[in-house]
Amino acid sequence: DAKTTQPNSMESNEEEPVHLPCNHSTISGTDYIHWYRQLPSQGPEYVIHGLTSNVNNRMASLAIAEDRKSSTLILHRATLRDAAVYYCILRDPSGSARQLTFGSGTQLTVLP
Amino acid sequence: DTGVSQDPRHKITKRGQNVTFRCDPISEHNRLYWYRQTLGQGPEFLTYFQNEAQLEKSRLLSDRFSAERPKGSFSTLEIQRTEQGDSAMYLCASSIKEGGSEKLFFGSGTQLSVL
Repeated sequence: DAKTTQPNSMESNEEEPVHLPCNHSTISGTDYIHWYRQLPSQGPEYVIHGLTSNVNNRMASLAIAEDRKSSTLILHRATLRDAAVYYCILRDPSGSARQLTFGSGTQLTVLP
Repeated sequence: DTGVSQDPRHKITKRGQNVTFRCDPISEHNRLYWYRQTLGQGPEFLTYFQNEAQLEKSRLLSDRFSAERPKGSFSTLEIQRTEQGDSAMYLCASSIKEGGSEKLFFGSGTQLSVL
């Protein structure tokens, strides 16, 4: 799977929007962009995924650049419970490798 | 609760002992994954099952590690002759296809400490 690059850490104020960036310049046409997050002492939790169009769900929005070389996870109103490590992962469902390959992610700190 | 369940949550063992972890996936999910995570790192893939068939194994899965999913439901991960380097969080996930790709649901993990 192609690699992703994320900042090591970010800070946000509570109740403000958060934009978490992810670069994936070597993305292939069949790679889906997945986001997971991991709260302390828990397993990762699915957040959102998409291919080309922007996606929204109850947790977040995913904005995908037109050339698909970058994407942004948007938390519309950060809460203290959103403090977690956020992972941006590419996966090709038609590829031979079935697993998700996690990087180091972005540690999000939410300030009260 | 219909999430992924892992047992035990914590395991402390002495070097050289064998340990076994259990994972109960979400019942209708036919894919099951094992990952390992050390402090400050993202989870690393170990192995994956489609129903009872083990279809992929990472190079991280040495000969001391074995995983089974005998009836395509629960899975076990056994580590023989544990070493201090095996200390980690062992995560299990099951998955469904959704939106053209796959969505993984993780358990809370088993934290292994090898003394």
